[in-house]
Formats: sequence, C-alpha cells, structure tokens
Amino acid sequence: VQLVESGGGLVQPGGSLRLSCAASGFTFSNHWMNWVRQAPGKGPEWVATIKQDGSEKKYVDSVEGRFTIARDNAKNSLYLQMSSLRDDDTAVYYCAAGRAFSWGQGIVVTVSS
Amino acid sequence: DVVMTQSPLSLPVTLGQPASISCRSSQSLVHSDGNTYLRWFQQRPGQSPRRLIYKVSNRDSGVPDRFSGSGSGADFTLKISSVEAEDVGVYYCMQGTHWPYTFGQGTKLEIK
Repeated sequence: VQLVESGGGLVQPGGSLRLSCAASGFTFSNHWMNWVRQAPGKGPEWVATIKQDGSEKKYVDSVEGRFTIARDNAKNSLYLQMSSLRDDDTAVYYCAAGRAFSWGQGIVVTVSS
Repeated sequence: DVVMTQSPLSLPVTLGQPASISCRSSQSLVHSDGNTYLRWFQQRPGQSPRRLIYKVSNRDSGVPDRFSGSGSGADFTLKISSVEAEDVGVYYCMQGTHWPYTFGQGTKLEIK
C-alpha cells in the first residue's frame, strides 16, 4: 500500500490550495478515504472522509464550508480543496485509507502572511 | 464531540518492562452495527502515525505480539508486554464510531 500526498506549501490567509493523494497497492474504490491533519506539536485531527463512490462526505466543523473532499476512482486519487485558509489550518496533512489502516508520508501546509 | 482522555501523558519505561496506557471516552463507542471502533496508533519521531490495533483488540499485520488492546464500552487499554527501544514514540487512541472521529491527547513513551 502506498499513499503519496502532493500540493502543499505556503499560502496567505484567505488563500486556497488543493491537495492530492495518489494511492496504489490496494483496491482504492473499495474503501472510504480520509484526510487527517496534525498541527505542529499537536495530536492528529480527522478533517474529512468520503465514501467509496463519493456519495457521502463528512467534515469536521472547523473546515465545513471551506474544504471539499473529492475522489477519482479511475485515477486512484483523493483530493482536498481548501479555501478561505486560516492560520490555524497550518499542519501536516495526511491521506489515510479506509479505517486508517495506512497513511501517507504527509504534506506540509503553512498559512502565513 | 466525543472526548478521548488518555493517561498517563508521559510514560518512562525501563527496557524489557511492561507498559500500559489507558484511554477513556466521554460516551460509549459501541456502534449501532455492534462493533466498537476503537483504534490505537503509534507515531515514532518524524514519522506518520501507524495503526497498531483496530476494533479494540485486533492487531494489524506486522505488529509485534507484545502489543495488545483490551476494553469495552468507554474504557480501553493498550499494553506492551516488554518494551523495546523501537517502541519509543507517541501513542494515540482514536474513536471511529461517532463523527467527528477524535483522538486522545497522546502518551509519550520514553526509555528510562
């Protein structure tokens, strides 16, 4: 199983960023997929989750209305569109498969002016 | 949101000795499907979290059998029967029963 995140970086408050996660080594379309973040020196926080066919999506309250999770089963890819970014969105963002049986290496998102 | 409370937050252990981490949830983690979605993760320094235990007591593939999980309802425990140097890191419990899924504060295991 391999999960590789990309798309992170430095962005100003109020800006947008799109994260991607390329999955391999398992049947992507069979599993819920997730984004989990970890702010510096803090524990993980489950941000968003999406059902196998994309028909159901859930978000933690702090990102509801600002972040959108999506997937493309034909490309074995997971996405997180982040907008109206705030300082407290600064974190390492992880892609996690299924019931978190596998995690990517993480991608850093820094929101700062 | 379900609050997950771990203790202790710091756990100094002598090599070869056992270790135990407690995790309590603010409400029962029994799902309507009958399962209890309580997981344990290990995060070694500089690494991504790694799942060790799922549904309270099931060890993931490749996890040494010195790790074991137990508990029910809202009270859970992770035990390491004999701590090794590679076990250094932070351990998190996490509930996957009630949205939003939530983690404990973490327990930092170090070698004395």
